[in-house]
Amino acid sequence: EIVLTQSPGTLSLSPGERATLSCRASQSVSNNYLAWYQQKPGQAPRLLIYGVSSRATGIPDRFIGSGSGTDFTLTISRLEPEDFAGYYCQQYGNSPYTFGQGTKLEIK
Amino acid sequence: EVQLVQSGAEVKKPGESLKISCKASGYSFTYYWIAWVRQMPGKGLEWMGIIWPGDSETRYSPSFQGQVTISADKSIGTAYLQWSSLKASDTAMYYCARHTFGGAVTSLGYWGQGTLVTVSS
Repeated sequence: EIVLTQSPGTLSLSPGERATLSCRASQSVSNNYLAWYQQKPGQAPRLLIYGVSSRATGIPDRFIGSGSGTDFTLTISRLEPEDFAGYYCQQYGNSPYTFGQGTKLEIK
Repeated sequence: EVQLVQSGAEVKKPGESLKISCKASGYSFTYYWIAWVRQMPGKGLEWMGIIWPGDSETRYSPSFQGQVTISADKSIGTAYLQWSSLKASDTAMYYCARHTFGGAVTSLGYWGQGTLVTVSS
């Protein structure tokens, strides 16, 4: 089973700043099948990024996915108030298709 | 428009059985994998398993294998998650989600609203 470790656990930033979230895999993610999701309190998760760097429909271009192999990053170039939420990475290259434990992005 | 509508919240006692549902619409039900994801109170997302509604092929996380059963009825476009004997530790929000693209395992592009299951004596 591939274990995904996200860091930091909590990130405190201000609107307008740049956020960098990390997701490290215990082994190489097949075919770069790595996705990122955003979840706000009381809501279902929403797909942001798939295939490491492809934005899902309707996702603003301030959300940028990058990385390969075992190290992946989600960058939010300039934080908007609505971006403060939980973020999860998921690998779907090898079953079980595991999630990371999440990063909480909070307003400083 | 793709929609996944889940059944309502449940309150059960330990040892009881339960089957929750996920009604799909707006796309070809048999051509996309559907996943179930658990979120315990205040915790992260856990991948439980998936089903291919076309032939009901399933894949489970080892953590959930034998603990739950995932099924689907393609005649009515509905996927299910069921327990034969609930435990207090099954208390959680359960989401169904459709894979983004058809025909293969991909990211989870569409999500249901979630079903809250509470197990308490």
